[in-house]
Amino acid sequence: DIQMTQSPSSLSASVGDRVTITCRASQSISNFLNWYQAKPGKAPKLLIYAASSLQSGVPSRFSGSVSGTDFTLTIASLQPEDFATYYCQQSYTTPLFTFGGGTKVDIK
Amino acid sequence: QVQLVESGGGVVQPGRSLRLSCAASGFTFSNYALHWVRQAPGKGLEWVAVTSYDGSNQYYVDSVKGRFTISRDNSKDTLYLEVNSLRDEDTAVYYCAKDRWAVMGPTAYFDSWGQGTLVTVSS
Repeated sequence: DIQMTQSPSSLSASVGDRVTITCRASQSISNFLNWYQAKPGKAPKLLIYAASSLQSGVPSRFSGSVSGTDFTLTIASLQPEDFATYYCQQSYTTPLFTFGGGTKVDIK
Repeated sequence: QVQLVESGGGVVQPGRSLRLSCAASGFTFSNYALHWVRQAPGKGLEWVAVTSYDGSNQYYVDSVKGRFTISRDNSKDTLYLEVNSLRDEDTAVYYCAKDRWAVMGPTAYFDSWGQGTLVTVSS
């Protein structure tokens, strides 16, 4: 089974900060990695697909990158609406999928 | 716009059953694979099951195999999840999510989600 390890599990940041979240795959998954944003009581939202492609309608302050088995989600300048929990998801082993453990971003 | 609305959650005793529904609108339902994803209290997202566009293929996470059944009615634009032999660890918010494709592939992602329905397993 492919394990997806996200770090950190939580972080505190201020509006305007640059935030970086990492997701490490236990083996190569090519670029088959997606990022989602989840808020309590709301539908989760797709942000990035295929490691670095921005989903339509998602602000350009969100970006994704990959280096080997390490994937990074970056928020260039944190906005108030960005306080949420972020999850990576691998689709390499489709039709079975795995999410990372999540990273909660809260207000410093 | 795409809408997915889950229903059918509630409080249920261990060992009992429940049927969750997800009513869809705003897209051609029969053209897409659909998933169930759950989130236990204080925990992260867990993918549960998927059905292909025509219902001919279904796949499950190991922890629910033999207990949960995913199905769809393309004439009613509705996705279902039959959950049987419920355990305490099945307590979670259950989300339905739309795949970008009709059949599952490595370039898949979940481009629309519902707001979820809460299942609480408790005696």
